[in-house]
Order: sequence, then C-alpha cells, then structure tokens
Amino acid sequence: NAGVMQNPRHLVRRRGQEARLRCSPMKGHSHVYWYRQLPEEGLKFMVYLQKENIIDESGMPKERFSAEFPKEGPSILRIQQVVRGDSAAYFCASSPPGLALTGEQYFGPGTRLTVT
Amino acid sequence: GENVEQHPSTLSVQEGDSAVIKCTYSDSASNYFPWYKQELGKRPQLIIDIRSNVGEKKDQRIAVTLNKTAKHFSLHITETQPEDSAVYFCAASSGYSTLTFGKGTMLLVSP
Repeated sequence: NAGVMQNPRHLVRRRGQEARLRCSPMKGHSHVYWYRQLPEEGLKFMVYLQKENIIDESGMPKERFSAEFPKEGPSILRIQQVVRGDSAAYFCASSPPGLALTGEQYFGPGTRLTVT
Repeated sequence: GENVEQHPSTLSVQEGDSAVIKCTYSDSASNYFPWYKQELGKRPQLIIDIRSNVGEKKDQRIAVTLNKTAKHFSLHITETQPEDSAVYFCAASSGYSTLTFGKGTMLLVSP
C-alpha cells in the first residue's frame, strides 16, 4: 500500500508566478489535510478537504491560496502570485473515512517551495 | 482555537539516558494527542498517540502520559539511542480532525 504521495518534491518559483502542489492520499483515504512548515517551526494547519468539499479552511490565507480535492485525481494546493514569504515546506496528510474523527493522519514527504 | 505549547525546544542527552518532552494544550475539548518524529528533510511520522479516555500508553521504549485535569501530556523515551535524534512534535485535536502542533523539540542523543 503506497503511502501519501506529493509532487513535486522541490519547486522553485519566481515572485509573481503560480505554484501548484499535488497530493495523492493513501489508497482508501478520503480526507486530505495541508500544512505549512517554516524553517525550524512546527506544522501549521491550512485546510482540510474531503472529496469535492472543503471542510475547514480556517488556516489558509484568504488571498492567493486555494485548495481542491476533485472526485478524480489528486488534491491540489494552489498559490498564486507567490512572494518570498511563501517559501516553506508544504506537507499533505490523509486519513481514512472511518478515522476522520479520531485525528490519525499520515503525512506525505512534502514539497519544498522556494520563491526567488 | 487550540494552542499547544511544547518544551523544551532542544534536548541533549547521552545514549542510554531517558528523554522527556512536555506539552500543554488550551482547549478542554481536545481528546486526541499524537506525537510525531521528523528527521531532517523527511516527513513527520506518527510514533505514538493517546486518547482522552486513557492516562498512559506504552510502546517498547516510548510512552506517553496524559493529565486531562492539568491539560498536559508528555512523551517519555527510555534507553535513548543515536537514531532517536530528530525533531519531535506533539499535537492536539478535538476530534474533527484539525491537528494543532507544538513548535517541536530537537532531541540530540550523543553516543
């Protein structure tokens, strides 16, 4: 059973460009979470999605950031008009339907975004 | 919202010693408390978790304790080994799946 997959692993963007980060949850998992980790800091919750639904986006900046988890395909975190402050590691986690309320989440390897 | 404080930020021990990392949380509705280990450049990995209906859980050299009255929980690692060196994160959730993480503890185990 493959784990949570994320791509790309490293992404370099110039200021003003768009960044698209992809996350494929573990097989059978229908809940996806995105976190941002700044250097030497903890993980900050951004958004929680189920298939075709955003459940909680309280941690996501109101502007430039969006997320989706379509019926088919991976979840995508999109950052428009990136700025240097967006440079961070972005982690995706997933959990199966039956465990959504217990909190168990399994993390992907992360995408390290560098904005130049 | 939930706020999780974690101490210490760094911890150095000699191989074979015990290590203890402590966390406090603010939301009394929180009922799930996982601990993650993150090696440099790697993903966070769940190493142990505890739910609010138990006070202690043990898995080989790792144990976690929970005091709901005081709203704090701790990770205990016994007989530490160099491969235990990593950053450890505590987290808390109130059951609708949003985890709030502490800022992490960098554990260094010297041979």
